[in-house]
Amino acid sequence: AQSVTQLDSHVSVSEGTPVLLRCNYSSSYSPSLFWYVQHPNKGLQLLLKYTSAATLVKGINGFEAEFKKSETSFHLTKPSAHMSDAAEYFCVVSDTGGFKTIFGAGTRLFVKA
Amino acid sequence: NAGVTQTPKFRILKIGQSMTLQCTQDMNHNYMYWYRQDPGMGLKLIYYSVGAGITDKGEVPNGYNVSRSTTEDFPLRLELAAPSQTSVYFCASSDTENTEAFFGQGTRLTVV
Repeated sequence: AQSVTQLDSHVSVSEGTPVLLRCNYSSSYSPSLFWYVQHPNKGLQLLLKYTSAATLVKGINGFEAEFKKSETSFHLTKPSAHMSDAAEYFCVVSDTGGFKTIFGAGTRLFVKA
Repeated sequence: NAGVTQTPKFRILKIGQSMTLQCTQDMNHNYMYWYRQDPGMGLKLIYYSVGAGITDKGEVPNGYNVSRSTTEDFPLRLELAAPSQTSVYFCASSDTENTEAFFGQGTRLTVV
């Protein structure tokens, strides 16, 4: 069985400081992993995805994530937060061995001026 | 580029009423999905389809029905609305089950 846990429901950072959003997963197969962002009253937009190529994945808007199989983690980072990064972020795992996609509960990112 | 289009954006239903949430995509994707999003719960898969004429239940299918008569359209039907179905509903599509999903803007449904 697969699952995904976002370790923080809320993260608050100051503008210009680093962002770390944590995600742990479990999967019986080789998973595909995604991070999506949702701005208020909007649909979800893909930030980045890991599909068994490079373990460090670069996405849009300066975000990146590192797949660590030994730690079963896929944390999302950004070196310097911008006010426009304030949104909800979802970590998603999808098994390549079968059709099933699981969303994490989400992490709301607040960015202070 | 329309992508995934959902209608309506907002709806208020009375208990016991029925309605259909419409979803259409213009990317020729085989896979389509319906999710509901409740506060603090992430997205839960209601139903999905891997192609025209093929649908299957997701994690929370009770109280809903779907059909997929064409590649483009994947409507979600609520037959007897209940307060527990108050939620934000998202339709999505993807080329395969492990590629990027494209989401609609969502439908905010309130059942009173």
